[in-house]
Amino acid sequence: KQEVTQIPAALSVPEGENLVLNCSFTDSAIYNLQWFRQDPGKGLTSLLLIQSSQREQTSGRLNASLDKSSGRSTLYIAASQPGDSATYLCAVRIQGAQKLVFGQGTRLTINP
Amino acid sequence: EPEVTQTPSHQVTQMGQEVILRCVPISNHLYFYWYRQILGQKVEFLVSFYNNEISEKSEIFDDQFSVERPDGSNFTLKIRSTKLEDSAMYFCASSEQGRYTGELFFGEGSRLTVL
Repeated sequence: KQEVTQIPAALSVPEGENLVLNCSFTDSAIYNLQWFRQDPGKGLTSLLLIQSSQREQTSGRLNASLDKSSGRSTLYIAASQPGDSATYLCAVRIQGAQKLVFGQGTRLTINP
Repeated sequence: EPEVTQTPSHQVTQMGQEVILRCVPISNHLYFYWYRQILGQKVEFLVSFYNNEISEKSEIFDDQFSVERPDGSNFTLKIRSTKLEDSAMYFCASSEQGRYTGELFFGEGSRLTVL
């Protein structure tokens, strides 16, 4: 059974820092991995999608990498801003299934 | 920018009552999903829907749940007889293409409170 884990559960950093969020998954047989942002009480906003054949994807200040063989992904946020404060979720699409399996998220706080 | 819209944003119901949650997926999308998130827990898959039929469902999606695409735009989740443990945020999602590879776009969610 696929398990997705995100470490740390919470992270607080001062504005302007570069930071890395981690996501690990137990079964490397995936189609893709998707990173989301969730603001309190709100929906999930898709940030980046990495297909299993890709190593990384970039969007603005965000860069996500995927190492399928080791079951790891990282989300790099450059020059963090207070508006980046949110919970960040990663989810994998496992082979042979359509569903996404989610991690529990990392709650990020950027302090002005 | 196209988005997935969900109604209602919040519904309070009594245990045993029927609830229908509504979603309007992005217009050119072909795959539709329902997920839920119990407060403080992970987002969980409920069901996927394609070509007017369920293509995959989880063990959570038992006989109390059903989905329907009654017209060309709406996608609904019905809970026949709600239980306390059905209290959660329910998210609708859609993807344009790729049964297994498409990017999912989520709505803002419908918060269901069962008393």
